[in-house]
Amino acid sequence: NAGVTQTPKFQVLKTGQSMTLQCAQDMNHNSMYWYRQDPGMGLRLIYYSASEGTTDKGEVPNGYNVSRLNKREFSLRLESAAPSQTSVYFCASSEAYYDGELFFGEGSRLTVL
Amino acid sequence: GEDVEQSLFLSVREGDSSVINCTYTDSSSTYLYWYKQEPGAGLQLLTYIFSNMDMKQDQRLTVLLNKKDKHLSLRIADTQTGDSAIYFCAEIGPGGFKTIFGAGTRLFVKA
Repeated sequence: NAGVTQTPKFQVLKTGQSMTLQCAQDMNHNSMYWYRQDPGMGLRLIYYSASEGTTDKGEVPNGYNVSRLNKREFSLRLESAAPSQTSVYFCASSEAYYDGELFFGEGSRLTVL
Repeated sequence: GEDVEQSLFLSVREGDSSVINCTYTDSSSTYLYWYKQEPGAGLQLLTYIFSNMDMKQDQRLTVLLNKKDKHLSLRIADTQTGDSAIYFCAEIGPGGFKTIFGAGTRLFVKA
């Protein structure tokens, strides 16, 4: 099983450009999440989808949008990238929103110049 | 508020025990978790403890939970260089809607 797959793994953007990070899981999980990881700040939740058809804001949603395309896929979009969005982004999934056992992708390293 | 706190760095010699500490805030958390992140990789669940337990042992790992002080620790016995990683403490936040992570403790193991 592939688990959680994220693409792309690396991306460099100029300020103001847009891009979408893709995430897919093959574990039939109901809940999916997008986190960002910054040095000394741990993981901060950007958006989550408790189940197919629902999305909710996390701790740091400003500047991002998400789409739960189907049960497998959950994408994160940056409409107008800013240098403050330079980070490593992780997609994760779990069987249910109250299940703390999360399965993570390998991460997408984004640099905004 | 929601906050999980950990020290940022720990350095130990190979063969010694490592103890990574964490404090959490939500006393209603049912489970508490330890995740491990190796360089260039995502997080992987290492172990977890149910809130009605004081201790859980799994091979070289021992998790201790002090609910009164909201303190969680992870002890790694006979630490190896392969244990070098970032270790995250995590809890389920209020309402059970999301997992809250600490900032992570970077463990350095010296040969």
